[in-house]
Order: sequence, then structure tokens, then C-alpha cells
Amino acid sequence: QTVVTQETSFSVSPGGTVTLTCGLSSGSVSTSYYPSWYQQTPGQAPRTLIDSTNTRSSGVPDRFSGSILGNKAALTITGAQADDESDYYCVLYMGSGWVFGGGTKLTVL
Amino acid sequence: QVQLVQSGAEVKKPGASVKVSCKASGYTFTNYYIHWVRQAPGQGLEWMGIINPSGGSTNYAQRFQGKVTMTRDTSTSTVYMELSSLRSEDTAVYYCARVGGFTISTKFYYFDYWGQGTLVTVSS
Repeated sequence: QTVVTQETSFSVSPGGTVTLTCGLSSGSVSTSYYPSWYQQTPGQAPRTLIDSTNTRSSGVPDRFSGSILGNKAALTITGAQADDESDYYCVLYMGSGWVFGGGTKLTVL
Repeated sequence: QVQLVQSGAEVKKPGASVKVSCKASGYTFTNYYIHWVRQAPGQGLEWMGIINPSGGSTNYAQRFQGKVTMTRDTSTSTVYMELSSLRSEDTAVYYCARVGGFTISTKFYYFDYWGQGTLVTVSS
């Protein structure tokens, strides 16, 4: 079974830019996988950030953006803030269902 | 406003079953599919399956086939997720989540609104 890969952890300085990626153990991610991104803080339900590769959900700051970079989907945070410190998950539609990546723990310091 | 309100926490013994509910409001219930997603303690999100509230058809992740049953009650705008033969590894928070749009739309493929989560603890 194809695995959806994400960085385990990432660190960014306040005000800095970070790009988190979402790949496949076999093959390339394209828009046909309808990549979407979610932010989760401890004890809370996930919050939807990005759908359909690059569409920001309502109320999501424009410092969050989605794209395809090379063979992966990507979530870029430009001008990171302290409250961006969270877990970030991508999910891909695989044709027969959906598969989440393992998540990236982002530290802002 | 769209809301998904889930039932409360459950404690079950190994081998038992659990049924979690997710009551929808603020939109036409039968127009939007609903997913179930779980998260074991300290772990990531895992997709379990999806149900069409209109006709009741389901699509389960392979690893949950034979283990999970998703149903709906259109009279109360509620979907249910029943997990059988519980083991300690099924201890997790279970979320329902609504799709973003109709099946013909790209918005179908993402998780738009989420329930608050239901903790299911399996312990002897």
C-alpha cells in the first residue's frame, strides 16, 4: 500500500518561512490527488487550512499557501507566528479512499 | 452554521463493540458525505471510511473492512460509526468530518467541518 510521507518535525524562527511537504512512497503527487492540509493543536479537532492543492479555507490567513513542488504537495507558511506551532497533516485522495500523512510537528522558536 | 456534534466518551472492554454518533445541523444532511477519522493517543490521523447520508452507501478503508459499520438516520440527521471486536489498539479519539462539496466538485475531496471528537477507551 502506498504511504503518504511528511517530515516528522520542522523548526522555524518567528517571522521566517517554512515549507512542509507531502509525498508518496511510490510516485508523484499531482493535483489529481486533491491534496489538502490540516492544522491540529493538542486536544483539539483538526482545522482545515487548504483544499484542492491551493485553496485557502475561509478565515485562514494568507500566510498559509499550498502548491505542488516537484513531485510533492507543499504547505508554505510565510512569516511564521508563535501560534502556528502545531501539528500539520496532509491527506491525499487515492482513488479508493483517502490516506493521511503521518503529520509534521512544527516548532516556532 | 454547520455543526457536527458527537456523542460522549466511552469505555469498553476488549471484545465489545462501540457505536459513536455524529449529529449534523445547519445544512441539508443528505447532500454531503461524512467521513470517520481516528487518532490514537500521540499518533496521527487515520481515515476509516465514508458514508453517503442520502442512500447509505459506504466505502471503508481496507484495514477496517469487517471491523467498522457506518450507518445513518435521515430522520435525525445523524450518522453512526460502530466498531466491533474492540482491542486496546482501538483506543483513540474518533472524529466525524463532512466533505466540502458535492461528488462532482473538487470540494468533495477534502474534510470541511469536523466534529469535536469522541474518546473511546478499550480497557479490561
